[in-house]
Amino acid sequence: DIQMTQSPSSLSASVGDRVTITCQASQDINTYLNWYQQKPGKAPRLLISDVSRLETGVPSRFSGSRSGTDFIFTISSLQPDDFAIYYCQQYDTDPPTFGPGTKVDV
Amino acid sequence: QVQLVQSGAEVKKPGASVKVSCQASGYSFISFGVSWVRQAPGQGLEWMGWITPYNGNTKYAQTFQGRVTMTTDTSTSTAYMELRSLRSDDTAVYYCARGELKFPVWGQGTLVTVSS
Repeated sequence: DIQMTQSPSSLSASVGDRVTITCQASQDINTYLNWYQQKPGKAPRLLISDVSRLETGVPSRFSGSRSGTDFIFTISSLQPDDFAIYYCQQYDTDPPTFGPGTKVDV
Repeated sequence: QVQLVQSGAEVKKPGASVKVSCQASGYSFISFGVSWVRQAPGQGLEWMGWITPYNGNTKYAQTFQGRVTMTTDTSTSTAYMELRSLRSDDTAVYYCARGELKFPVWGQGTLVTVSS
């Protein structure tokens, strides 16, 4: 199975901050990389698919990109509603696998 | 609107089985696969497998092979996930999600607690 890693595992930030999370795969996953947001007691929400495609209804402050083997998730200006755990997920190779998550808190 | 509604929380003893349901609405049920993903307390997300309602084809994660069965009832647009021989480390929230590789719609989750 492809192993996904994320860094950092947690971060503290303030409203208005720019937040960046990095995800790496144990092997090439092309552009088959999604990002999810999960709040306590709730199901994950798909924010970005295929590295950089924003899902319908997702605010434009969220973005995704790729730099070499790094997949980068960015919140341009952190809002109070954004404090959550963020997961990357690859689907290049069966089975689809998730990263361990990055907790964004105050 | 597109929605997946799951059955309620379950408490099971070790060795028992659990069957969780997931009823879809707001879209053509047979047009999309349904996956199951679980999350142990305080842990990350683990994909368990998927089923294609159109023809019943399934794909299970190696971890669950032989212990899990996914089925659908197209007459009620409902997907089911049965997990057998439950152990304490199967305690988790079980989610259904629309899709086989990418999951834009999720159920609300079903907590399954395995305890003697």
